[in-house]
Amino acid sequence: DVKVTQSSRYLVKRTGEKVFLECVQDMDHENMFWYRQDPGLGLRLIYFSYDVKMKEKGDIPEGYSVSREKKERFSLILESASTNQTSMYLCASSLPGNTIYFGEGSWLTVV
Amino acid sequence: RKEVEQDPGPFNVPEGATVAFNCTYSNSASQSFFWYRQDCRKEPKLLMSVYSSGNEDGRFTAQLNRASQYISLLIRDSKLSDSATYLCVVNGASNAGNMLTFGGGTRLMVKP
Repeated sequence: DVKVTQSSRYLVKRTGEKVFLECVQDMDHENMFWYRQDPGLGLRLIYFSYDVKMKEKGDIPEGYSVSREKKERFSLILESASTNQTSMYLCASSLPGNTIYFGEGSWLTVV
Repeated sequence: RKEVEQDPGPFNVPEGATVAFNCTYSNSASQSFFWYRQDCRKEPKLLMSVYSSGNEDGRFTAQLNRASQYISLLIRDSKLSDSATYLCVVNGASNAGNMLTFGGGTRLMVKP
């Protein structure tokens, strides 16, 4: 089975803190994604990556950055957390054009 | 117009009922199609891929209509455990090419 692991499930951070969300997949997938999901807004793509060291902006990249130093790992970084970044963050991976698999999600609260 | 559009519902149906959801997409060049299921406060999980010839998995049937640019999901003999949000996913729905676009989801509530 495909496994996408988000190591931090529940976080509470203060405004202005730097936040790292880590994601690891074990299926040698080229594509990795970070989404956030908010009530009434559905899934919104923050960043994605097609390969190591490659990154592309999604629909809502402002306030976020990403890092992909190894194929299996894709990190989402909030340089200075703000309360409007309180959300559920979902990491996902896939082969190109194929089924996408999600991690269990990271619930971030910024106070 | 949204690239992938779904009726948000909720669809409230009794156990045993048959229910169908549609999902429309705007890009006629879209390549592949999927239905995902998402339970409350959980991640989306693949329910089934949608093939041109249609496909069936137990009580679930998915169909693709390329001419009218929609996909459908039919659930027969609804169970309480089918209560969830169903997400339509289209590959190539946007001009970004080989990218997945998610619909907003349709919420299903099956009542005893």
